[in-house]
Amino acid sequence: NAGVTQTPKFQVLKTGQSMTLQCAQDMNHNSMYWYRQDPGMGLRLIYYSASEGTTDKGEVPNGYNVSRLNKREFSLRLESAAPSQTSVYFCASSLDRGKVETQYFGPGTRLLVL
Amino acid sequence: KQEVTQIPAALSVPEGENLVLNCSFTDSAIYNLQWFRQDPGKGLTSLLLIQSSQREQTSGRLNASLDKSSGRSTLYIAASQPGDSATYLCAVANAGNMLTFGGGTRLMVKP
Repeated sequence: NAGVTQTPKFQVLKTGQSMTLQCAQDMNHNSMYWYRQDPGMGLRLIYYSASEGTTDKGEVPNGYNVSRLNKREFSLRLESAAPSQTSVYFCASSLDRGKVETQYFGPGTRLLVL
Repeated sequence: KQEVTQIPAALSVPEGENLVLNCSFTDSAIYNLQWFRQDPGKGLTSLLLIQSSQREQTSGRLNASLDKSSGRSTLYIAASQPGDSATYLCAVANAGNMLTFGGGTRLMVKP
């Protein structure tokens, strides 16, 4: 039982390049989330998915797109990376949205945009 | 818009001390409040979750309290150890279990 896994662990991009961050969970959770963490600002929600086939915007969605590929996988895509997207990205999952559920986090992807 | 504040931003204590970390939030209409631990370069690990109807939760040397009316929570760590050194994050869940995080308290426990 690996929990929440993320790939890659670290990535360097040039401005304007695109990439997809991958996330998978093996806990049979319904809800999945993408956060970014910037120094001094805590974590902020980018997008979330309450169930397979549904996605919704969080607090900071601009510049990102997501795909809930199936129940296990939730990817985050940067179409045209900008230096402001340099951050640490965390994926999380929980059993059911709207209930009192603990979120389980992956180890993070560190992204540097030059 | 929910805002979560954690004070202090950093704390250094000698081993064995009892300590309190503070968290405040602006909107009392929360589903739950969670405390997480984050080690350097790692993800977040859930420590305690307090439902909105509860006043406190305990796990080992950790005790978290919640006062919804005043918009405050505290995390009490008893008999601190060097292994407790980490960043502690407070997060509140509003509708849909979406979390709003505080900026964290970086704790250093010196041997």
